[in-house]
Amino acid sequence: GAGVSQTPSNKVTEKGKYVELRCDPISGHTALYWYRQSLGQGPEFLIYFQGTGAADDSGLPNDRFFAVRPEGSVSTLKIQRTERGDSAVYLCASSPGGVETQYFGPGTRLLVL
Amino acid sequence: DQQVKQNSPSLSVQEGRISILNCDYTNSMFDYFLWYKKYPAEGPTFLISISSIKDKNEDGRFTVFLNKSAKHLSLHIVPSQPGDSAVYFCAASANTDKLIFGTGTRLQVFP
Repeated sequence: GAGVSQTPSNKVTEKGKYVELRCDPISGHTALYWYRQSLGQGPEFLIYFQGTGAADDSGLPNDRFFAVRPEGSVSTLKIQRTERGDSAVYLCASSPGGVETQYFGPGTRLLVL
Repeated sequence: DQQVKQNSPSLSVQEGRISILNCDYTNSMFDYFLWYKKYPAEGPTFLISISSIKDKNEDGRFTVFLNKSAKHLSLHIVPSQPGDSAVYFCAASANTDKLIFGTGTRLQVFP
């Protein structure tokens, strides 16, 4: 079956602009995660949804970052007033439940000029 | 404050030999540890895991060892194959679904 898909695969934007990154999880997976991977680092947790609600958003770096999952399936990560330091690969993962069953998408590579 | 550390950024091993990737952690609340493998332009793929109540878990060519007293775990791959060349991430969780990743080790297996 289809895996986790993320769009766009690449996004180039200018400092100060607004961006939206989309994640389509594996069908039937109730849990969805967003991570951010900066150059030379491992993935860094941002937020985790169980169904439609954010179960843990402790990794969001500041109030410019926001994520939604209105129908418990597709999720959108929204970044306002982008900064050069936001440049990274944004990874999405979904899971039917359980920490070892997180399936990752290929990521969206965001470059803020 | 890096709670999960992979101190070797790269490792080069000859095909057929053993690859040993190491990981150290600082948070004693971690109760589950995982290894992920990542190819370029792809997301990480789950490889093997171990619960803190065990000290070894084996799956085919892959074995993970956990030393709780030393807060250290290692991944052994034997025999190593060229297709194992990738970046390997160690990750840990503390009774949640939130994973804390290390910085990764790039493994290169040469013929």
